[in-house]
This record gives sequence, C-alpha cells and structure tokens, in this order.
Amino acid sequence: EPEVTQTPSHQVTQMGQEVILRCVPISNHLYFYWYRQILGQKVEFLVSFYNNEISEKSEIFDDQFSVERPDGSNFTLKIRSTKLEDSAMYFCASLPVLTDTQYFGPGTRLTVL
Amino acid sequence: AQKVTQAQTEISVVEKEDVTLDCVYETRDTTYYLFWYKQPPSGELVFLIRRNSFDEQNEISGRYSWNFQKSTSSFNFTITASQVVDSAVYFCALSERGGSNYKLTFGKGTLLTVNP
Repeated sequence: EPEVTQTPSHQVTQMGQEVILRCVPISNHLYFYWYRQILGQKVEFLVSFYNNEISEKSEIFDDQFSVERPDGSNFTLKIRSTKLEDSAMYFCASLPVLTDTQYFGPGTRLTVL
Repeated sequence: AQKVTQAQTEISVVEKEDVTLDCVYETRDTTYYLFWYKQPPSGELVFLIRRNSFDEQNEISGRYSWNFQKSTSSFNFTITASQVVDSAVYFCALSERGGSNYKLTFGKGTLLTVNP
C-alpha cells in the first residue's frame, strides 16, 4: 500500500540554523499539508499546498517558514532561522482529490538546541 | 471557525473494560468530515475512521465503534473489550469542505491507558 514518507526521522539543530524537512507524498495525490505537534499538545495545521502554490496558511506559518515542491515527488518545509519553540514533531500529509482522508507520514522530530 | 473539543484529557481502564472517548465539534459548514486518529507511543498518526456530515449511521469495525450525532455535534468513539495495545493518544479531527483546502482541525487528544 502506498504511503507518505518523511526524512529525516529526527533532526537536531542549533538555534538560528536553517532546516529542511522532506516529504514524499503518495504519487497521485494533489493536496499537500504540513502540521506541527509540540510535545504533549495537539496537532496543528501549518500550511496547505495545491497546484504548486500555498492554498492556506495558519498564523504559525510566518515568514521564517516556506514550502516547496521542487520536483514531481518531494514536498519540503524549510525553516529559515530555527527558534527553540520550533522544536516539535512535523507531519506531512497528502490528500487525493476524490476523497477527504488525509494520509500522514511518520513525522520528523525536530529538536532545536 | 471550526473547533473540536475532547474534554477527556486522560482515561485509564483495566483490560477488557469498554471505554468511550468523547468528541464534540463546532462548524458553520453543512458539509464536513469527521475523523479519528490514533497516535501510539511511537508517534505516528494512524487513521481510524472518516465520516461525512450526511451519513449519521453508526459504524462498527471489530472492537471499535463510532456514534455520530449531528443533533449534539458529537462523534464518540467506543472501544469494546479494551486491550493493552489500545493504549495511545486518540485525536478527533474535523475537516470542512469549504474552499479547496480540507485542512484538519484536531482536538487536544485523549490519552488512553489500558492496564493489564
């Protein structure tokens, strides 16, 4: 069964450094998402992406965040200058056009020191 | 704006007990979808069920059952004869069909601990 994959599974970085989190969505899906879960808290929507552009972003998704689909398979989340409060699990999800079930990747745990 | 409330922060039961996880939602949309996801200690989000707003039939899948009631805006989840492997955080989520977005709004989750 096809699945969403994410790399790396765990990333440790120093405050102020740039990080890129990578996702490979399911191949025939058209909608892509990033969510964030701070440890022990709920899963929060960050951004949605459709037709090569952002369709919606939350107030969390400020100027230090960006998303890109550089080729036909990868979907990336870049954090330009990480802060301690960016430490969280980041989930990628993709959605096929005809159904509304989002398939989540296993997540990337980001630790900012 | 859409909102999902899971009032139970933590529930602890003994194996073989039945347990119900509550979920109450708010939305202005007439077309929406409700979901339950399981998050085991390993951290991934495991999809359990999706329900659309036009289908109020209850659903049973093995030991799991779901009760959707539009009149009370609730979508409760029952585990019958719980097992230790059911221990996880369970999230209820809502997706509105408005726009082209389908983003999910999650509740805060309920930590279920099933003790042997």
